Amino acid sequence: DIQMTQSPSTASAFVGDRVTITCRASQSITNWLAWFQQKPGKAPSLLIFDASTLETGVPPRFSGGGYGTEFTLTITSLQPDDFATYFCQQYHGYPFTFGQGTKLEIK
Amino acid sequence: EVQLLESGGGLVQPGGSLRLSCVVSGFSFSNYAMSWVRQAPGKGLEWVSALSGNGATTYYADSVKGRFTVSKDNSNNTLYLQMNSLRAEDTAVYYCAKNPDSYGSGSSQYWGLGTQVTVSS
Repeated sequence: DIQMTQSPSTASAFVGDRVTITCRASQSITNWLAWFQQKPGKAPSLLIFDASTLETGVPPRFSGGGYGTEFTLTITSLQPDDFATYFCQQYHGYPFTFGQGTKLEIK
Repeated sequence: EVQLLESGGGLVQPGGSLRLSCVVSGFSFSNYAMSWVRQAPGKGLEWVSALSGNGATTYYADSVKGRFTVSKDNSNNTLYLQMNSLRAEDTAVYYCAKNPDSYGSGSSQYWGLGTQVTVSS
């Protein structure tokens, strides 16, 4: 199985800051990676797929990058609504594994 | 509008069984693969199972293989997850999600609200 490792596990930032979350795969997944946002008590919401393609309706302050085994999710100019938990997921091959999550907290 | 609604969760004793359902609307159910993803209390997301659009191909996480069975009824637009030999570690919110194609590749754009499964004596 492909292991996905996210860092950091927790991040603290101010409104207006820029934050980058990293996701590493245990083997190459080319660009078959998605990023999800989840708020407490809610289902995950797809932000980015194919490593860098923004899902319809997602604000452009969110961006994704990377290829192979290392990927990033960057949020520029953090808004209050962005404080949530973020997960990466690989879909290069089954089982489609998730990273352990990054909780983004307001400072 | 795409909608997914899970049901069937509840409290069950270890070793028991439950069948989850996910009723969908707003898209051609037979043309899309579907997935189940779960989240234990305070934990991250765990992919559980997937089923191709035609129902012919199934995928399972090692943690549930041999105990869970995914199936679908295209006439009723319903996805199922039959869960047998349940363990305490199966306690989680279970989400169903729509895949972007019929084969099961790609990430899930649409998710249900989830149904709670609690395994405890």
